[in-house]
Amino acid sequence: DTGVSQNPRHKITKRGQNVTFRCDPISEHNRLYWYRQTLGQGPEFLTYFQNEAQLEKSRLLSDRFSAERPKGSFSTLEIQRTEQGDSAMYLCASSLGPQDRELLGTDTQYFGPGTRLTVL
Amino acid sequence: DAKTTQPNSMESNEEEPVHLPCNHSTISGTDYIHWYRQLPSQGPEYVIHGLTSNVNNRMASLAIAEDRKSSTLILHRATLRDAAVYYCILIFFTGAGSYQLTFGKGTKLSVIP
Repeated sequence: DTGVSQNPRHKITKRGQNVTFRCDPISEHNRLYWYRQTLGQGPEFLTYFQNEAQLEKSRLLSDRFSAERPKGSFSTLEIQRTEQGDSAMYLCASSLGPQDRELLGTDTQYFGPGTRLTVL
Repeated sequence: DAKTTQPNSMESNEEEPVHLPCNHSTISGTDYIHWYRQLPSQGPEYVIHGLTSNVNNRMASLAIAEDRKSSTLILHRATLRDAAVYYCILIFFTGAGSYQLTFGKGTKLSVIP
């Protein structure tokens, strides 16, 4: 078990540039989540995939943000025309999901180390 | 979605027990109580969860009040490695057969050597 990995770990970009982050979940996990965390705050949910289907998107995910999970394995999060307000830690998490839907509340998420984005 | 209230910060001496409180007075009957922690410069890490009964695992214990409106995460012997932000979370279920983790600001635990 290599855990959830994220690349790059740090990204510095200029305002207006596009950036793409990658997340590799734990191999048998079919659920994948993206969160954003700004300084001093807890993580905020962005989007959720079950296999390759993107089932949930937060209002925080503006039109400049797009996430994909093409083969139900790794996922990418792209931010177009970055703004200084996009500077944050972007976290990815994965989970197995319960076998019984009634036990959904018992599911646990495993987080990666995050990608820290700085927009100059 | 149900909200939780935690103290902003707490201190503990190393090797002493720590009790981290959480209030969740609007909890519904099916809401599980989850705790995650986030060490400096790392992603959050699952600690423990429960529904009604007290729970123990290798990391911590979770004591849930009888009316479920509050819970306490117990670290039996705090170590320097336990210095982190601890989040008490009620799972927010969505209509897509999924859920979200709604993090608050958590409690920043400092461990004094």
